[in-house]
Amino acid sequence: QSALTQPPSASGSPGQSVTISCTGTSSDVGGSNYVSWYQQHPGKAPKLIIYDVNKRPSGVPDRFSGSKSGNTASLTVSWLQAEDEADYYCSSYGVSTPYVFGTGTKVTVL
Amino acid sequence: EVQLLESGGGLVQPGGSLRLPCAASGFTFSRYPMSWVRQAPGKGLEWVSSISGSGDASYYADSVKGRFTISRDNSKNTLYLQMNSLRVEDTAIYYCAKRRSSDSGKEFDYWGQGTLVTVST
Repeated sequence: QSALTQPPSASGSPGQSVTISCTGTSSDVGGSNYVSWYQQHPGKAPKLIIYDVNKRPSGVPDRFSGSKSGNTASLTVSWLQAEDEADYYCSSYGVSTPYVFGTGTKVTVL
Repeated sequence: EVQLLESGGGLVQPGGSLRLPCAASGFTFSRYPMSWVRQAPGKGLEWVSSISGSGDASYYADSVKGRFTISRDNSKNTLYLQMNSLRVEDTAIYYCAKRRSSDSGKEFDYWGQGTLVTVST
């Protein structure tokens, strides 16, 4: 099972929005509503920010939103803040594996 | 408050073995599937293994199948990962993670701080 494809980097100025894509296949992202997103700051454990494509856990700001179209899921961070600078990983349930992660995207706040 | 605390990491030679415990607290441990996820230095996340709440079902990534064994002791609220025939490419931070829902879903809502395993001569 190959990793899901994410852009290596994305950036935006404070107050702007940034969208990260996560591309898989019909055997994972395209065929599953179990798509989640994690935020990871340097030296820290990942933190769940989106699950079931577009649901937010309690305590996660509504500036974070998720969507999916076909084999590609997306995470949008609106009203970028300095603390949003981190690595972001998508994850999906797959036919051949319970979990497949994305390659990761480093978000830089300019 | 949910807490997951891994331990047992360290330096081991190729071909060696290591057992990682993860002590859990703050939730009804036996109800929740648990997993191990690893992250090689400077690299992305890789799912390693998962186990059901009762411990009667387990799943493995192809990269560790036949070498690693996941288990749990619900009486001690502890998850384990037994790692045998270790390879240089197994070098990573190993996280234990709790599934958010006890009966559905595929996301992890709590992660430990991780323990570093280094396989090297």
